[in-house]
Amino acid sequence: GAGVSQTPSNKVTEKGKYVELRCDPISGHTALYWYRQSLGQGPEFLIYFQGTGAADDSGLPNDRFFAVRPEGSVSTLKIQRTERGDSAVYLCASGRDSRNEQFFGPGTRLTVL
Amino acid sequence: QKEVEQNSGPLSVPEGAIASLNCTYSDRGSQSFFWYRQYSGKSPELIMFIYSNGDKEDGRFTAQLNKASQYVSLLIRDSQPSDSATYLCAVNTGQFYFGTGTSLTVIP
Repeated sequence: GAGVSQTPSNKVTEKGKYVELRCDPISGHTALYWYRQSLGQGPEFLIYFQGTGAADDSGLPNDRFFAVRPEGSVSTLKIQRTERGDSAVYLCASGRDSRNEQFFGPGTRLTVL
Repeated sequence: QKEVEQNSGPLSVPEGAIASLNCTYSDRGSQSFFWYRQYSGKSPELIMFIYSNGDKEDGRFTAQLNKASQYVSLLIRDSQPSDSATYLCAVNTGQFYFGTGTSLTVIP
C-alpha cells in the first residue's frame, strides 16, 4: 500500500511569508505526528494528532506554528511570518495508534531566505 | 538531561563484523522503543521495535532492552556497506523522543 506522502518536497520562501506543508498519512492510521529535523540532529517533536484532534501540541515552538487535521486523515502544518531559523526538514509520520511504530514520509525541506 | 541519549559516533566497523549501537533513556515509564535507520538526505526508516525486556531478533538485526538499566541497543551482524547510515533510537513515553543518532560506517 501507499506510504506517507508529503508535499511539497521542497519549499523556498522569504522571511515573513506564510507557508503550508501537507501530509497524507497511511490509510487507516489514526495517529499522525509532525517533526522538525535540523542537520545532525534527531527529529524534534512538534505535534501529535489522534484522529482529528491535537492530542499533544507541546512541541510547537511558538504561536506562529499551527497544524490541523480536520477529517482525521490529511494534515497541514502552517507557519506564519516565517523566520530564517524555521529552515529545516519537516517530517510527518503516521501510526496505527500512539503506542505503535511510526512510518515517516519523505519530508519537506523548508528554506527561509 | 536529554530524554534519549546516543553516542553520535562516528562508529566504523569492517564489513562482516558486528556493529553495536547503544541508547539510554531517562523516563522509567517509557513503554516502547524503536530503532530507525536514516540515510543521508532521506527520512527515517523503521528497523525494529521492542516492548519487553530481553532480545528481539529480525534477520541480521537484534534489539536488546534492559528497562532496569534504561538502555536499549541494536546489534547488526554481518555488517554490510549498505548498512552505513545514521541510526536513530526513539522512545515512547507517551510522547516520542528521538536521540540525535549514531553515524555508522561499514568499511568494505
